[in-house]
Amino acid sequence: DGGITQSPKYLFRKEGQNVTLSCEQNLNHDAMYWYRQDPGQGLRLIYYSQIVNDFQKGDIAEGYSVSREKKESFPLTVTSAQKNPTAFYLCASSIALGDYGYTFGSGTRLTVV
Amino acid sequence: EDQVTQSPEALRLQEGESSSLNCSYTVSGLRGLFWYRQDPGKGPEFLFTLYSAGEEKEKERLKATLTKKESFLHITAPKPEDSATYLCAVQAVRDSSNTGKLIFGQGTTLQVKP
Repeated sequence: DGGITQSPKYLFRKEGQNVTLSCEQNLNHDAMYWYRQDPGQGLRLIYYSQIVNDFQKGDIAEGYSVSREKKESFPLTVTSAQKNPTAFYLCASSIALGDYGYTFGSGTRLTVV
Repeated sequence: EDQVTQSPEALRLQEGESSSLNCSYTVSGLRGLFWYRQDPGKGPEFLFTLYSAGEEKEKERLKATLTKKESFLHITAPKPEDSATYLCAVQAVRDSSNTGKLIFGQGTTLQVKP
């Protein structure tokens, strides 16, 4: 079955560490997105990518970085510059940027220890 | 500024007690309004897309409606398995100033007790 796979499900980060969250899709979608979800807040866009080797900052990109070397993969790195990284991170994809239908992964919960 | 506000933040219902969730939006030009269901610790699951005022869509016990300023998610005779967080999102007409990204509300957490 086609879908989006996020890993790991749970991730713990020490102060000063960079960590990378994985997102892989087999839907043949061109566009991919990273959202952050905090309690009581709506999902906020971190980065998005329209095609391979191209990506753009979203609303809260500071302290994060991404790459899009393959159509299927859109990893997110949470750097030490992100001062409040504890959150639930969601990856999504759509057929094209601005396309109506978003498919979400199951999420990664990142906790700073 | 494009904005989405959902109310109430939390809703507790008895099994069979019908109710509605509200999603108020402000957007320069609406391309689509989306409803998602999210279970704890999981990603959102798509429910409905509405495109124009007056449109309605149904799925089992859920019915979504749309006006020019808000959308309602009506839940008829809910069951405990309907307990989840319901997210509303809007997509503005894409132009040079936006990407067509989804703008989400903060969600309504529904608990249905047997």
